[in-house]
Amino acid sequence: DAGVIQSPRHEVTEMGQEVTLRCKPISGHNSLFWYRQTMMRGLELLIYFNNNVPIDDSGMPEDRFSAKMPNASFSTLKIQPSEPRDSAVYFCASSSSSDTQYFGPGTRLTVL
Amino acid sequence: GQSLEQPSEVTAVEGAIVQINCTYQTSGFYGLSWYQQHDGGAPTFLSYNALDGLEETGRFSSFLSRSDSYGYLLLQELQMKDSASYFCAVRDGTGTALIFGKGTTLSVSS
Repeated sequence: DAGVIQSPRHEVTEMGQEVTLRCKPISGHNSLFWYRQTMMRGLELLIYFNNNVPIDDSGMPEDRFSAKMPNASFSTLKIQPSEPRDSAVYFCASSSSSDTQYFGPGTRLTVL
Repeated sequence: GQSLEQPSEVTAVEGAIVQINCTYQTSGFYGLSWYQQHDGGAPTFLSYNALDGLEETGRFSSFLSRSDSYGYLLLQELQMKDSASYFCAVRDGTGTALIFGKGTTLSVSS
């Protein structure tokens, strides 16, 4: 299996621009998670889906952030408009049970 | 809510044994997990304890005491490649998503 796939791997954008991060979970996994990692705040859970349905988005920092999962093999995390404080590594993870989560390689986002 | 405490840094030499402690507070307990993350990489699963006691996987072992809300990761015969960050994690109130500690950076020197 190819593992969790994320794109792009690196994104540099200017403040105010829209940013879309993409994730393809491992085939057959029914849960998908979006995390953000910074030095200051560590690894934070933003939102997760179960069977394509958002279950908990309480970690989404503000209305500028939105996430969708239109089908079992694709999810997006969108930031509009982006701000410098959004700079972080964004990880997508998937699982078929609650014991183990498999993380993608992450997207390193820099907002200038 | 959930919160976890673990040391921020640990240093050791090759061949040594190191223990990384984790204490947690959680409204519902579904087990304690450990993940490893090398610099610039993604977190990868190491171990999971749902019941009290020690789980051994090669050079790594993980321990849980539910009555003490405490666990640890034990790394034996340390190698340079073990230099990484180690995170303990508990599940959220729904028992699905993971809430991570701030991580412990382990530096192994020769």
